[in-house]
This record gives sequence, structure tokens and C-alpha cells, in this order.
Amino acid sequence: EPEVTQTPSHQVTQMGQEVILRCVPISNHLYFYWYRQILGQKVEFLVSFYNNEISEKSEIFDDQFSVERPDGSNFTLKIRSTKLEDSAMYFCASSVPDRGSYEQYFGPGTRLTVT
Amino acid sequence: GQQLNQSPQSMFIQEGEDVSMNCTSSSIFNTWLWYKQDPGEGPVLLIALYKAGELTSNGRLTAQFGITRKDSFLNISASIPSDVGIYFCAPAMNRDDKIIFGKGTRLHILP
Repeated sequence: EPEVTQTPSHQVTQMGQEVILRCVPISNHLYFYWYRQILGQKVEFLVSFYNNEISEKSEIFDDQFSVERPDGSNFTLKIRSTKLEDSAMYFCASSVPDRGSYEQYFGPGTRLTVT
Repeated sequence: GQQLNQSPQSMFIQEGEDVSMNCTSSSIFNTWLWYKQDPGEGPVLLIALYKAGELTSNGRLTAQFGITRKDSFLNISASIPSDVGIYFCAPAMNRDDKIIFGKGTRLHILP
């Protein structure tokens, strides 16, 4: 069964460094998302992406964040200068707008630890 | 602002018992999704509800979309050890819109 994959599974970085989190969405999906989950808290929306541009972003997704679909398969989240509070699980999700589908499928996540 | 309340926050049950959890919202939604998250993993979609009043089953799971479109419940019958995890309600307004997650119900099964 097709699934969303994410790499790396765990990333440790120093404060101020840039990180790039990578995702491969399900191949026939058209909408892509990033969410994050701080330890012990709920999952929070960061950004949605469709047709090579951002559809919507949350207040969390400030100028330090960017997303890109560099080729036909990858979808990346870049944090330009990481802060301690960026430590969280980051989940990529994808969906296909078929027959009114709202269903988003999540990857296994990347645990980002900023020291 | 929009309020989404999920309860209970946690549950401790015996294997074989039935479980019920629910979400209420201050806003109406066009869909209610239910996800399960195991430790260290991503949320897995369990059930999707699209119509007010809709009752949908997936094996031992049953979920309903409230007729006011502001609430939903999830029932698990005859719980088994692999049901342990965190269950999230996740409503959305429009197709391909962001999903809003509840705070989750953490299910524990006592030995």
C-alpha cells in the first residue's frame, strides 16, 4: 500500500543552524502539508502546498520556514535558523482531491532536536 | 476563536471493554476524521465522516458525525492490547483544507 515517507527519522542540530526535512508524498497525491507536534501536545498545522505554491500557512510558519517541491517526488521543509522551540516531531501529509476527499495521510515523522 | 474539545483526556480500561470518546466544537465542520497515533509514529487515519448524522464503522470502530456538525464520537468495542495509543479527532471545513487536531484521548489497557 502506498505511503508517505520521511527522512531523516531523527535530526539533531545546533541552534542557529539550517535544517531540511524531506518527504516523499504518495505518488498520485496533489496536496501536501507539514504539521508539527511538540512532545506531549497536539498536532499543529504549519503549511499546505498545491500546484507549486503555498495554499495556506499558520502563524507558526514564519519567515524562518520555507517549503519546496524540488522535483516530481520530494517535498521539503526548511528551517533557516533553528531555535530551541523548534524541537518537535514534524509530519508530512498528502491528499488527493478525489470525490470530495478530505483524507490526509501522514508520514512517520522526523524528530527534530535543537540543542 | 475556534474551540475544539476532546474528552476524555485519558482512559484506563480492561481488555475486552468498550470505549467511547468524543469531540465538540464551537464551529461547524464539513468533515470529521479520526486518527490514531502510536508512540513515535505518525497519525493513522481510522475513519472519515462526511455527512451530518452519518454513522460509519471500520471493524470494531464506530464513529458518528453529529447532526449539528459540531461534534463527533468514536466507539471501540471489545478492546484489545493493540488499541493502546492516542486517538485524535480532526475536523476540517473544506476539501484539502488544513486538519485541526483535538488534544487527543490516550487509551491505556490494564493487564
